[in-house]
Amino acid sequence: NAGVTQTPKFQVLKTGQSMTLQCAQDMNHNSMYWYRQDPGMGLRLIYYSASEGTTDKGEVPNGYNVSRLNKREFSLRLESAAPSQTSVYFCASSEGGPFDQPQHFGDGTRLSIL
Amino acid sequence: AQSVAQPEDQVNVAEGNPLTVKCTYSVSGNPYLFWYVQYPNRGLQFLLKYITGDNLVKGSYGFEAEFNKSQTSFHLKKPSALVSDSALYFCAVRDMDTGFQKLVFGTGTRLLVSP
Repeated sequence: NAGVTQTPKFQVLKTGQSMTLQCAQDMNHNSMYWYRQDPGMGLRLIYYSASEGTTDKGEVPNGYNVSRLNKREFSLRLESAAPSQTSVYFCASSEGGPFDQPQHFGDGTRLSIL
Repeated sequence: AQSVAQPEDQVNVAEGNPLTVKCTYSVSGNPYLFWYVQYPNRGLQFLLKYITGDNLVKGSYGFEAEFNKSQTSFHLKKPSALVSDSALYFCAVRDMDTGFQKLVFGTGTRLLVSP
């Protein structure tokens, strides 16, 4: 019963490098999300996918791209990493549909950009 | 736009004492409110939600929250704190501006329970 799995757990990049953060859920959820968490700012939504085949921008999408590969997987890509993207990134999923369904979170990817 | 505010960065309480973590909200229409908890190096875990109905909502781990429409508040409470309750707590409100379930999170309140 893994829930939401994120890989890698830690990563250090140099400015300008690219990388993809992976996320997979085994709960058959329709909706998936990517957040970043920064001290004193709570969680901010980067992108979300309401259902397989759709993606939409959240509050802070600049510098990121996403792919909803299938119902299980939702990846986040940094094309040219910048120090301002140093953060902890969380993937989440929810059933979608009714508006009161809680989101289930992975344990995060801690990303440092030098 | 929907928003929530958590006015306290940190709350300190002694074990066995009651605890309250404050949250106020600003929404257009009826609010859908949530509390989540985050333990070190972990993702957020759902605690409870208010959609409609009773103003006192019971959730996981003995937590409850009181919805107060006149004060636009949704404070998290527990009658007797445990050291293991020490964590980061987030209040969230559903974003009503779209037809899709997005959440807007507060900045979080760190709860420290001393033995």
